[in-house]
This record gives sequence, C-alpha cells and structure tokens, in this order.
Amino acid sequence: AQSVTQLGSHVSVSEGALVLLRCNYSSSVPPYLFWYVQYPNQGLQLLLKYTSAATLVKGINGFEAEFKKSETSFHLTKPSAHMSDAAEYFCAASLVGGTYKYIFGTGTRLKVLA
Amino acid sequence: DVKVTQSSRYLVKRTGEKVFLECVQDMDHENMFWYRQDPGLGLRLIYFSYDVKMKEKGDIPEGYSVSREKKERFSLILESASTNQTSMYLCASSPGLTFTRSEQYFGPGTRLTVT
Repeated sequence: AQSVTQLGSHVSVSEGALVLLRCNYSSSVPPYLFWYVQYPNQGLQLLLKYTSAATLVKGINGFEAEFKKSETSFHLTKPSAHMSDAAEYFCAASLVGGTYKYIFGTGTRLKVLA
Repeated sequence: DVKVTQSSRYLVKRTGEKVFLECVQDMDHENMFWYRQDPGLGLRLIYFSYDVKMKEKGDIPEGYSVSREKKERFSLILESASTNQTSMYLCASSPGLTFTRSEQYFGPGTRLTVT
C-alpha cells in the first residue's frame, strides 16, 4: 500500500537557521507530491507541489522542495527560518493516473526559537 | 481567491444527536472532500464527491454520511454522534476531473466535541 512518512513529529530550529522537514513516499510509480502548511486554528494551504516537471520546486514564503526518485523523498527546506514559519506541515502524495485521493503524512510541527 | 467556508468553527453536541456540518465553496470546483484530523494521525478521508449527487467512501466512512445536492455545497452528517467522533473536521475542494494533479483548497475546520 502506498504511504507517506514524515520523519519527526516535532522539529525545533533557531530563527535564521535552516529548516529541513523530511518526507518519504512509498510507491512503485512516482506520485504527485504536495506540501501544505497549517497555521493554528486554520485549514491547510498549499506551499508547493511537484507534478513531474522540474525536480526542484519553489513555493511560497521562501520554501522549496526537491524530488529525488532514487531516495523516494520530497524534503522541504527553507534557508532561514522566521518566527512566522511556526506551524504544522503536511506532506501529501497522490498517484498518477487514477487514484481519487491524497495520502497525507502525519504532519511535522515546526517550532522556531528566538 | 478560492474560498471554502464551513458553517461552524466550534460545535458541542451530545452523544446520540444527529449532527450536520456544512461546507460551501465559491469557485465552481467539481470535487469536494471531508477529512477528519486527529493528533498524530494526520488527515483521514471520510467521503468525497466528484459531482453533484455523487459520493464515494474514503478511508473511514463508518458512522458518517454525506449529501451533495448542489455543486457548491457538501454536507457531512453524523447520524448518531459518539464521543469517538470528537475531532477537527476539514472540508476541501479541488478543480477538474483529474483529482490527482490538483491542489486542494481547505476550509478553516470545525472542531466538534461530543459529550
């Protein structure tokens, strides 16, 4: 069965430090991949998506992610964390060609330390 | 901007009550989804709909039903609320006939407590 794994349910970084949130998928066929962010008491909003074009995808708020087929990964990065980045981040995958749904990871809560 | 609205942000109901959660989107999207979100479990799909009056079960449909009489509105119904249905409920919509390539647009969520 397909799955999405986010390593680390909680990640803390200092303000100005690199943000790295990990996402691995299991699928024999590379899926479409998405990162969403959820701020407190809000719904999810799209940060970026990979749909088989460029492997390095740039998103909003300075985030980017790189699709690596050999590692079945789609890690999210940001060079310099800001206090406003504190939120929960979800990786999601959907299969190419027919499946009706996303598979969401369990989320990573990012804390930014002053 | 796409807007997905949910009828209530917070709701408290008693065990055994019938509960209606309403979701409306204003961008003429074909697809609509209901998820529940629980700590450590991520988002789990309850039901989705790809057209008016069409519905498909997701991963955890037991104890829930849905209704989509109009394209912009998708309702989630808890037939007889139970305490294990206490959760955050998120509605989402997406455009197009091909689900997989499209991002989903989420409402703000309804935090339901069943006592």
